[in-house]
Amino acid sequence: EPEVTQTPSHQVTQMGQEVILRCVPISNHLYFYWYRQILGQKVEFLVSFYNNEISEKSEIFDDQFSVERPDGSNFTLKIRSTKLEDSAMYFCASRRLAGDNNEQFFGPGTRLTVL
Amino acid sequence: GEDVEQSLFLSVREGDSSVINCTYTDSSSTYLYWYKQEPGAGLQLLTYIFSNMDMKQDQRLTVLLNKKDKHLSLRIADTQTGDSAIYFCAAPNSGNTPLVFGKGTRLSVIA
Repeated sequence: EPEVTQTPSHQVTQMGQEVILRCVPISNHLYFYWYRQILGQKVEFLVSFYNNEISEKSEIFDDQFSVERPDGSNFTLKIRSTKLEDSAMYFCASRRLAGDNNEQFFGPGTRLTVL
Repeated sequence: GEDVEQSLFLSVREGDSSVINCTYTDSSSTYLYWYKQEPGAGLQLLTYIFSNMDMKQDQRLTVLLNKKDKHLSLRIADTQTGDSAIYFCAAPNSGNTPLVFGKGTRLSVIA
């Protein structure tokens, strides 16, 4: 069964460093998402991406964040200068353009720890 | 925008039924979802209900939707230790996406 994959599973970085989180969405999906979950808090929407551009973003997704689909398979989230409060689990999700329940398929997540 | 609330903890004995409750605010949501998160794993779609339905049954899972009260519940019959996980209620913020999640209900099943 096709699934969303994410790498790395755990990333540790120093404050101020740049990180790139990688996702491979399901191959015939056209909408892509990033969410994050700070420990003990809600899963929060960051950004959605369709047709090679951002379609929607939340207040969390400021200038420090960017997304890219550099090729036909990868979808990346870059944080330019990490802060302590960026420590969280980051989930990638994808969905088909039109589905019977608009289901978003989630990856296993990348745990980002900023020291 | 959408806001989703759910209770944080539920503890049940193996074999009993579990009921996890959720409230939401945006009545225009087309689908409402229940996701399951096992330790160290991602979010797995457990079941969903279309907003024009009152109830959906899928094996041991029953979803009840009260649109008037904006209340959604997930009932797990004959709860097993393997059902121990965090259960998230989710609703689209507007239209179909993105999803707004509750904080998650941690279900503990006692053998």
